[in-house]
Formats: sequence, structure tokens, C-alpha cells
Amino acid sequence: AQSVTQPDIHITVSEGASLELRCNYSYGATPYLFWYVQSPGQGLQLLLKYFSGDTLVQGIKGFEAEFKRSQSSFNLRKPSVHWSDAAEYFCAVVRLGGAQKLVFGQGTRLTINP
Amino acid sequence: DSGVTQTPKHLITATGQRVTLRCSPRSGDLSVYWYQQSLDQGLQFLIQYYNGEERAKGNILERFSAQQFPDLHSELNLSSLELGDSALYFCASSVGVYSYEQYFGPGTRLTVT
Repeated sequence: AQSVTQPDIHITVSEGASLELRCNYSYGATPYLFWYVQSPGQGLQLLLKYFSGDTLVQGIKGFEAEFKRSQSSFNLRKPSVHWSDAAEYFCAVVRLGGAQKLVFGQGTRLTINP
Repeated sequence: DSGVTQTPKHLITATGQRVTLRCSPRSGDLSVYWYQQSLDQGLQFLIQYYNGEERAKGNILERFSAQQFPDLHSELNLSSLELGDSALYFCASSVGVYSYEQYFGPGTRLTVT
């Protein structure tokens, strides 16, 4: 069964600093990959997705992610974080051609220092 | 705003009771998904409906059931509630049965006392 691992439960960065959130997946073929963000008391908002093609994908709010098949990774990056980026971030995978359920990682909570 | 609506926003009930959570998908979306978010289990897929029919089942307890109505709104019924059922329940929707982009509602926070 596919699984998603987000190794970092909590990350703190300073405002204006760069950010990288890690995501590793376990799956026998190329899955479809997603990053979602959950702000306090809010639902999940889709940041970006990877289906195929260019391995560097751009998303909303200045985020990007890079798919690396050799490392089974799909890390999320942002060159300069803003205080409003403080939230919980979830990496997710869905199995191509199967049940369309999203399998989520455990989430990474991002705190921004002023 | 994703266009997916969920009611109620909060629900507090006692053990042994039954509750119904409601979800309206985005306009034009035919698939509805239910997820449970809890501290110990994280985000878990419960069930998917497409155009009124059940399409996929995940870690959904037998005490839980769902349905999707002709107007495409969906209800998740939770019965014989236990303390461990306290969680945030999300509904998501997508265009088709094999659509991979899911849009989430704001969730219903259920507290069982």
C-alpha cells in the first residue's frame, strides 16, 4: 500500500527565510502527488499538484515543489516565507487508476518567527 | 473559499448518540469524499460517492454510514458515538469519479463527551 512520510513534525523559520518541507512517498509506480495547506480552524487548500511532465511544479502563494523519482520525494519550497505562511502542510498521494482516496502524510507544522 | 460547504461547523454530543454531518459539493462536482482528521490517526479517507453511488471505502467504521442524494449533497451518519470519534470531519469534492484534484470544505468539528 502506498504511504507518505513527512519527516519533520514541526519546523520554525524566520520571516523572509527560505523554506523546504520534505515529503517521501512509497509506491510502486508514479503516483499523483499533492501539497495541501491547513490554516488554523480552516479546511485544506490545494497548493500544488504533480501529475506528469516537468518535475518542478509551481503552485499558489509562491510555493513550488520538485518531484524526484530517484529519491521518491516531492519536497515543497518557498524562497521567502511570510508570517501568513504559518500553518500545517500536508503532502498527499493518490493511486493512479484506483480508488481516488488521498493518502496523507502526518503533516508538518510551520511556525514563523518575526 | 473552495465552494464546498459543510454543516454544522461544530457539534458537541454525548456518547451513544447519533449525529448527521452534511456536505454540499462544488457546483458541477459529482464525486464526494469524506475524511476524518484526528490527533492519533491523522487524515484518513472514509468513503467516496459518485453521482449517488458508493465508489470506494476506506477506514470507515460499521457504526458510520454515508449517502449521496440526487441533488448531490452528501450526509455522513455517525451512530453509537464513542469518545474516540471526536475529530474533524472533512468533505471534499471533485468533478468526476477519476478526478484527482479534490477540493475540501471547512470541516465539522465533532466533540463526543
